Amino acid sequence: DAGITQSPRYKITETGRQVTLMCHQTWSHSYMFWYRQDLGHGLRLIYYSAAADITDKGEVPDGYVVSRSKTENFPLTLESATRSQTSVYFCASSESGGTPYEQYFGPGTRLTVT
Amino acid sequence: AQSVAQPEDQVNVAEGNPLTVKCTYSVSGNPYLFWYVQYPNRGLQFLLKYITGDNLVKGSYGFEAEFNKSQTSFHLKKPSALVSDSALYFCAVRPRHRMDSSYKLIFGSGTRLLVRP
Repeated sequence: DAGITQSPRYKITETGRQVTLMCHQTWSHSYMFWYRQDLGHGLRLIYYSAAADITDKGEVPDGYVVSRSKTENFPLTLESATRSQTSVYFCASSESGGTPYEQYFGPGTRLTVT
Repeated sequence: AQSVAQPEDQVNVAEGNPLTVKCTYSVSGNPYLFWYVQYPNRGLQFLLKYITGDNLVKGSYGFEAEFNKSQTSFHLKKPSALVSDSALYFCAVRPRHRMDSSYKLIFGSGTRLLVRP
């Protein structure tokens, strides 16, 4: 199906474990983003990518790692999960260019770290 | 620091009444402005955006937003609310700096809209 998908939708993991959240988009958008959503904070940018092999930190990057070997995929890895990383994670993508294109969001992954 | 403020955690309106969800921003220059809506257990959906021109922008589902440069505000409005409009609404801003081509959005904390029958 066309669009932006995330997997898994729900994940429970233990403190200290490594976990990877997947994001896949079918539009060939240049830009991709990872956000976390927490009560009272809205959405905060973790990492973003302007193109394959180009990534940069957002507002809250500590404890996270990203890669983008292919345009359509943008996985987010928590190297050693902590309880403070319990959150809902959203991936988004956007076209690039002079026009300020909107971002398209995936359905989210609800991560619980116990 | 650049920021977006949504001063109301929740807005309650009766169905059929007009609604307003407020947003102000503190971002230098003339940023691009966006509204998104989030329904339960779903990702954010784009509603509308302001780039330039007319201060009143029309978007999806009958929503519109009014840009006020002097007040640095971008309030979301709808003339007649529906129960199905009940959701979480986010205002977002993208700086318009030539040196910043990151396309990053700065989000407000969100406002929950509750439309009662």
